[in-house]
Amino acid sequence: RKEVEQDPGPFNVPEGATVAFNCTYSNSASQSFFWYRQDCRKEPKLLMSVYSSGNEDGRFTAQLNRASQYISLLIRDSKLSDSATYLCVVNSNDMRFGAGTRLTVKP
Amino acid sequence: NAGVTQTPKFQVLKTGQSMTLQCAQDMNHEYMSWYRQDPGMGLRLIHYSVGAGITDQGEVPNGYNVSRSTTEDFPLRLLSAAPSQTSVYFCASSYSGISSYEQYFGPGTRLTVT
Repeated sequence: RKEVEQDPGPFNVPEGATVAFNCTYSNSASQSFFWYRQDCRKEPKLLMSVYSSGNEDGRFTAQLNRASQYISLLIRDSKLSDSATYLCVVNSNDMRFGAGTRLTVKP
Repeated sequence: NAGVTQTPKFQVLKTGQSMTLQCAQDMNHEYMSWYRQDPGMGLRLIHYSVGAGITDQGEVPNGYNVSRSTTEDFPLRLLSAAPSQTSVYFCASSYSGISSYEQYFGPGTRLTVT
């Protein structure tokens, strides 16, 4: 079983839609959690950290459920520019990346 | 600041050849790491370093060597290339090895081994 699992998608949504991505992790000792964004043929870039209390950054909301070992990312009012692959990252002793969920936002 | 730079951007090797992937950062970051990214697998950690002179193995270290003689540079050496090493390689750095810090990635090196 992979340490970090994500639904690979692809998710194809119209502009303005709300879309949610889920991620599960297997190591209960994991200490920190992130969402990274990766555009096609580019390097990953930090989108947001994920805190136990949940956190929001504009149209993006991240949630963490330690009991269920589950992380989520919600994108509201999707834009064309949100099209990318979203990587769930979990850190225990080192950074473990999910394989990514691909999102395409269409006009 | 250039951030994290990697060279070359593309490389084709024959099986058995050796080469070095270069990585440099100008942010005075202590922590540097190398990942490979394969379709459907996510990024996997190859080697990392918490400071000059200190390196350690990650999840998939076999077939690769690293050294860290300066804070700025962290080269990755392929000893004897194999087709299984065909991948995209990313170098990353962060302020500290402590897990809460953001990692900054280089643009990647696309390697094909024939």
